[in-house]
Amino acid sequence: GAGVSQTPSNKVTEKGKYVELRCDPISGHTALYWYRQSLGQGPEFLIYFQGTGAADDSGLPNDRFFAVRPEGSVSTLKIQRTERGDSAVYLCASSLSPGASGGYTFGSGTRLTVV
Amino acid sequence: QKEVEQNSGPLSVPEGAIASLNCTYSDRGSQSFFWYRQYSGKSPELIMFIYSNGDKEDGRFTAQLNKASQYVSLLIRDSQPSDSATYLCAVGPPKLQFGAGTQVVVTP
Repeated sequence: GAGVSQTPSNKVTEKGKYVELRCDPISGHTALYWYRQSLGQGPEFLIYFQGTGAADDSGLPNDRFFAVRPEGSVSTLKIQRTERGDSAVYLCASSLSPGASGGYTFGSGTRLTVV
Repeated sequence: QKEVEQNSGPLSVPEGAIASLNCTYSDRGSQSFFWYRQYSGKSPELIMFIYSNGDKEDGRFTAQLNKASQYVSLLIRDSQPSDSATYLCAVGPPKLQFGAGTQVVVTP
């Protein structure tokens, strides 16, 4: 596609529920990144994929968070047993390759609210 | 200590003046340095990247890098009200580590 697409744009869920956030990167971009941004903070790295594999998942806060990219394109971030502290904007970005010149292009984000 | 540090601001700049933004980073192995602009409620938008020591100019924007001092800066010349936003410094690769951002307010 022309840009990075994230769905849904907004998600409200109850504490303890399971949620899935989807990211469709720019066509041909092999690297895909997930970030989380809280109000007044910069984006916080969660995980990045090179192709189908997770190259670095050091930013995932705990085992309730998991992400997949089974065909090397669309990625899904999965959060189990959601907590109010998970409320944030979840950003996805993609690039031609890790460290590609020109930086990374971000999607418009998914605003997750846990009530 | 955070890996990427920025002054949070707000930085108030008169219209037409130069806005100067600073960023320091802790990882000496960093190779790529980026400045993103983020309007309220929007996602970050890349405005500049720099890889080598020295200056890089693009229109009204100039990025400056000093790897020995682990310091990156961004100058915005002839500041416009539309430049009012939060500016994020990011360092990598392959993953980007972001600072908390500096809010810039350009006053007419």
